[in-house]
Amino acid sequence: AQKVTQAQTEISVVEKEDVTLDCVYETRDTTYYLFWYKQPPSGELVFLIRRNSFDEQNEISGRYSWNFQKSTSSFNFTITASQVVDSAVYFCALMGYNNNDMRFGAGTRLTVKP
Amino acid sequence: GAVVSQHPSWVICKSGTSVKIECRSLDFQATTMFWYRQFPKQSLMLMATSNEGSKATYEQGVEKDKFLINHASLTLSTLTVTSAHPEDSSFYICSVRRTDYEQYFGPGTRLTVT
Repeated sequence: AQKVTQAQTEISVVEKEDVTLDCVYETRDTTYYLFWYKQPPSGELVFLIRRNSFDEQNEISGRYSWNFQKSTSSFNFTITASQVVDSAVYFCALMGYNNNDMRFGAGTRLTVKP
Repeated sequence: GAVVSQHPSWVICKSGTSVKIECRSLDFQATTMFWYRQFPKQSLMLMATSNEGSKATYEQGVEKDKFLINHASLTLSTLTVTSAHPEDSSFYICSVRRTDYEQYFGPGTRLTVT
């Protein structure tokens, strides 16, 4: 069974603060993919990153960074110097290599206040 | 540009009527498309996998006679909510998969049943 847990339901920060969104996953697959999506109020999912299970290198993209740790089955997402435009719901998702579907976590609602 | 389109983007219908939602793959042919449902402030839940030329595969708890899926071509899948009721009001999102790890989501259709 595949499962994604995002324990933080809501996070509120003040602009320019750093914030980390946690994601813990469970899977029996040896090959799998992890994703982060942003969902602004419009509803459309915005793809942020994809990671495969064999690549544990951390990634940085501008103010965004991701920490993938297979040992703890975690794929955390950090926003540095947060901005009001970062306010959205963020979803972590898992897809197994031989599975047909993508499983999403419950999402974390991030509010960045000016 | 957009890879997946959905039509309509929002729809309001009366209880007891049926509503059809279209999902189109714009950039490539897709033998498999997925339909998700998202209730307010909740995560995306997979409803069904739509297979071109064959019957859709429904997730446990999803009524196949209520949510009719037709994948008539390699670029079009439709979801028909039959005899809609207020509890069917939700955000419906389709997605298409190009490779084992590339999945693209549509912009979603917001259904309100009055």
